[in-house]
Amino acid sequence: AQTVTQSQPEMSVQEAETVTLSCTYDTSENNYYLFWYKQPPSRQMILVIRQEAYKQQNATENRFSVNFQKAAKSFSLKISDSQLGDTAMYFCAFVSGGGADGLTFGKGTHLIIQP
Amino acid sequence: DAEITQSPRHKITETGRQVTLACHQTWNHNNMFWYRQDLGHGLRLIHYSYGVQDTNKGEVSDGYSVSRSNTEDLPLTLESAASSQTSVYFCASSESPASDTQYFGPGTRLTVL
Repeated sequence: AQTVTQSQPEMSVQEAETVTLSCTYDTSENNYYLFWYKQPPSRQMILVIRQEAYKQQNATENRFSVNFQKAAKSFSLKISDSQLGDTAMYFCAFVSGGGADGLTFGKGTHLIIQP
Repeated sequence: DAEITQSPRHKITETGRQVTLACHQTWNHNNMFWYRQDLGHGLRLIHYSYGVQDTNKGEVSDGYSVSRSNTEDLPLTLESAASSQTSVYFCASSESPASDTQYFGPGTRLTVL
């Protein structure tokens, strides 16, 4: 079974700073996908970024980028020029290439952006 | 626009009652999932379906059941609600079971007294 670990329960940074959220995972598979989801106080789960394990290039979406280290099984999220609206819970998630068992989530990191 | 909806958004029930949470998607996705979210646990998979008449158990399926009679709906039933099932429940759907993004509904907060 896969496991996903987010070691930072809570982080706080000033607006406009850059912040990095950590995620490690454990799997014996070679084909899989990794995701970061954002959950603001509204409770809605919103996809931030997606990474395919077979792609070496790190995914980017505007101010959001990942550092994917396959050998180390690490998948960190970097948020540049942080904004007040980035305040939310952030969840790292894993799914095997076969799709069985759905997404496996980490326990989340509560990110607070201070004005 | 395509969407995924859940109803009710909030529900309070009593121990031992049967409860059904509805999930409806207009994405025309074959793959649908139910998760529960509890403090300190993130989201955990309850049941999932890869198409009509297909259902599979997830990590925390005890006390829950689902049925899939059409593409759009995957209702989640708690046969005999227990206080341990107080949680926030999310439904999700995706075009592919693995590679594609799962789109989530707004969640249902269930309280079992």
